[in-house]
Amino acid sequence: QVHLVQSGAEVKKPGSSVKVSCKASGGAFGTYIINWVRQAPGQGLEWMGRSIPLVGTTDYAQRFQGRVTITADTSTSTAYMELSSLRPDDTAVYYCAREVDSAMGYDHWGQGTLVAVSS
Amino acid sequence: DIEMTQSPSSLSASVGERVTITCRASQSISTYLNWYQQKPGKAPKLLVYAASSLQSGVPSRFSGSGSGTDFTLVIDSLQPEDFATYYCQQNYRIPPSFGQGTKLEIK
Repeated sequence: QVHLVQSGAEVKKPGSSVKVSCKASGGAFGTYIINWVRQAPGQGLEWMGRSIPLVGTTDYAQRFQGRVTITADTSTSTAYMELSSLRPDDTAVYYCAREVDSAMGYDHWGQGTLVAVSS
Repeated sequence: DIEMTQSPSSLSASVGERVTITCRASQSISTYLNWYQQKPGKAPKLLVYAASSLQSGVPSRFSGSGSGTDFTLVIDSLQPEDFATYYCQQNYRIPPSFGQGTKLEIK
């Protein structure tokens, strides 16, 4: 059984950075894709980017280009999402989600990490 | 980018009813369409992938259909635990995109 466990809630100042981790257990970490999706309070789901450890590549949503960095450490089965130059409208719950195949959806999700940005 | 539009945005229904949620893509996405259920304070849960394939463990009262640009999620005989928000998602082209959600409430 696959489990994705994320790091705890964070409170950040505007202009700072946050790094959220997502540790996987079960399954072969390096063989699947880890996506990052965020959800602002009361809003819908927004895809931020993904890491493909098997080929060592990443893709980012254009609106986050230059501010987000997604990495994966196969030795610890942990993915990371770092968002810089934080603004109050970055306040959201950030999720990691596993994708085995582009035709099969995101079948396992982390529990979510609340990042609150406030002065 | 591909835009996903769900309808309705909200829906009131009673236990035992049949409900239909639709999702339209701004361009053809073949069958690269997934449906998720989300309850308050919880992560989304995959219900249907590839437009019509039921994820393991999901009750058979859920079903999906469609291809190209028009898709449907049907819930037969609503149960109390089905009241939640539902999202469609296209995974045909980067960036993957979600519909705005359909909130299903108890009548």
